[in-house]
Amino acid sequence: SQTIHQWPATLVQPVGSPLSLECTVEGTSNPNLYWYRQAAGRGLQLLFYSVGIGQISSEVPQNLSASRPQDRQFILSSKKLLLSDSGFYLCAWSADENQPQHFGDGTRLSIL
Amino acid sequence: GESVGLHLPTLSVQEGDNSIINCAYSNSASDYFIWYKQESGKGPQFIIDIRSNMDKRQGQRVTVLLNKTVKHLSLQIAATQPGDSAVYFCAEETSNTGKLIFGQGTTLQVKP
Repeated sequence: SQTIHQWPATLVQPVGSPLSLECTVEGTSNPNLYWYRQAAGRGLQLLFYSVGIGQISSEVPQNLSASRPQDRQFILSSKKLLLSDSGFYLCAWSADENQPQHFGDGTRLSIL
Repeated sequence: GESVGLHLPTLSVQEGDNSIINCAYSNSASDYFIWYKQESGKGPQFIIDIRSNMDKRQGQRVTVLLNKTVKHLSLQIAATQPGDSAVYFCAEETSNTGKLIFGQGTTLQVKP
């Protein structure tokens, strides 16, 4: 069966520090991969999605970037974190378009 | 612009009763819809999906209804249990884009 892993579960970082969040998927090949951010008490906002290695689409202008160095690895990064980058970050995968997206358990990022 | 919204932010039901969570969507081109359940501190969990060529789909204790005429989606949970307490999100996808647009969520509270 397919599984998705995100780490770390929680992270506290100072303003201006770099960021690297990792997401890996097991049990499938060539998945679509997604990064979302969820503000407290709100829905999910799509940040990036990828249909293959090295293929990244950005949905909103922001201080973050994404990379897909391997088929089942998706990384969310920042060179310098802002206070506004605080939030709950979720990674998801799907087998294809018009298929369910399956989510990891997220990383809660707090910027001080 | 596109939006997916929920009629009520919080729904409180008695254990054993049936629950109905509603969702309105604005993009008539959306052709794939998903309901997710999110428990505190976790990622959204897939419940059930429906495509635009269907009006109704049933799962275990859950039923999704789609009314394309009024762009309305609902999730019915039979014999609601305390474990059903969570935030429920509807999401829509348009024409094989692979991008989900999420509503803001409805909190379901189950009273024992």
